[in-house]
Amino acid sequence: QKEVEQNSGPLSVPEGAIASLNCTYSDRGSQSFFWYRQYSGKSPELIMSIYSNGDKEDGRFTAQLNKASQYVSLLIRDSQPSDSATYLCAVDSYSGAGSYQLTFGKGTKLSVIP
Amino acid sequence: EAQVTQNPRYLITVTGKKLTVTCSQNMNHEYMSWYRQDPGLGLRQIYYSMNVEVTDKGDVPEGYKVSRKEKRNFPLILESPSPNQTSLYFCASSSDSTTEAFFGQGTRLTVV
Repeated sequence: QKEVEQNSGPLSVPEGAIASLNCTYSDRGSQSFFWYRQYSGKSPELIMSIYSNGDKEDGRFTAQLNKASQYVSLLIRDSQPSDSATYLCAVDSYSGAGSYQLTFGKGTKLSVIP
Repeated sequence: EAQVTQNPRYLITVTGKKLTVTCSQNMNHEYMSWYRQDPGLGLRQIYYSMNVEVTDKGDVPEGYKVSRKEKRNFPLILESPSPNQTSLYFCASSSDSTTEAFFGQGTRLTVV
């Protein structure tokens, strides 16, 4: 079974600091990687997607991918209280017979302290 | 408005009484899936479908059925619900498994 591992947290950072969220995955053949944000009681929503090694920046968010180490991370710069949520790492993997499956980590709860 | 619609949002039922949770998307997406979310266990995939009439088991398919007779709808069926199926359920759709998944609002199911 494909595994996606995240630290459950909670991760607490002061307002304005950088929050660093990490994720490892077990399937070396994975090609697509996602970070979702989920507020309490709400549906997950996509923050970033990344498909190749290196960094991808979008506003205050930077996703980093290292396929050799099977590691993907999300950095949130200038953290705001509104960033307080659970962050879910998701990895796409081939499950046979032309079929692909998206597996989520258990999520890291982030709290940004004003 | 592009969206994934699940119904009902909340459901309390008794053990053994068959139920269906509906899911519909208006984005012409090929890929649809069902997840359950439990405290400490995260989002776990129940079933997914890459196209009409094509469905595959996810990580926790036991006790569930799905069908994909048309592209927009992907209902989740619990033939004989049990208390261990009490959970928060999400339906999601995407163009394919490599692109952004859009989630429904969630269905909170309680089986007593």
